[in-house]
Amino acid sequence: RKEVEQDPGPFNVPEGATVAFNCTYSNSASQSFFWYRQDCRKEPKLLMSVYSSGNEDGRFTAQLNRASQYISLLIRDSKLSDSATYLCVVIARGDSNYQLIWGAGTKLIIKP
Amino acid sequence: NAGVTQTPKFRVLKTGQSMTLLCAQDMNHEYMYWYRQDPGMGLRLIHYSVGEGTTAKGEVPDGYNVSRLKKQNFLLGLESAAPSQTSVYFCASSYGLTGGYTFGSGTRLTVV
Repeated sequence: RKEVEQDPGPFNVPEGATVAFNCTYSNSASQSFFWYRQDCRKEPKLLMSVYSSGNEDGRFTAQLNRASQYISLLIRDSKLSDSATYLCVVIARGDSNYQLIWGAGTKLIIKP
Repeated sequence: NAGVTQTPKFRVLKTGQSMTLLCAQDMNHEYMYWYRQDPGMGLRLIHYSVGEGTTAKGEVPDGYNVSRLKKQNFLLGLESAAPSQTSVYFCASSYGLTGGYTFGSGTRLTVV
């Protein structure tokens, strides 16, 4: 099992719909979680951090489920510009350093 | 404010050649990272630095060396390029080790 797993998609979603996808992680000692978006042939850009209590930023909601070891990203009222690949990154404290493990990403395509 | 700047953007190397990828950030970040991204895989950490004069190995350090002689610069070296090093390389920086990352625009390297 990969340390961080994401459904690669693509998720084909009509404009205006709500879409959600998850990122599961295997290390129960994971401490910090983030969602990034990456447009085709571009660099990843920070979308939002994921807090234990869940957090919202406009149309985007991120949640953490420690018991089941996954984080989620929900996008409401999806726009064409939301089409991108969404990456999660999980950070855990190791014996002598930190582990930063990235998911391979979920591709989202918003259709008119 | 340029953020993180990587050079070059594209490069083709022959097997056995060497090269250095340059990364510069103007955000006064302590932490800098070199990642590689391959199709279907998450970003994989090659090396990172927690401050000027320090470097540490990441997940896939073999075949690469790094130097952080100045706080704003992080160099990635390939001493003897191999086709397995064909990838997109991203440099990133952050204020803290568990903070959000700012990425450069990437270097597309092909080793033939």
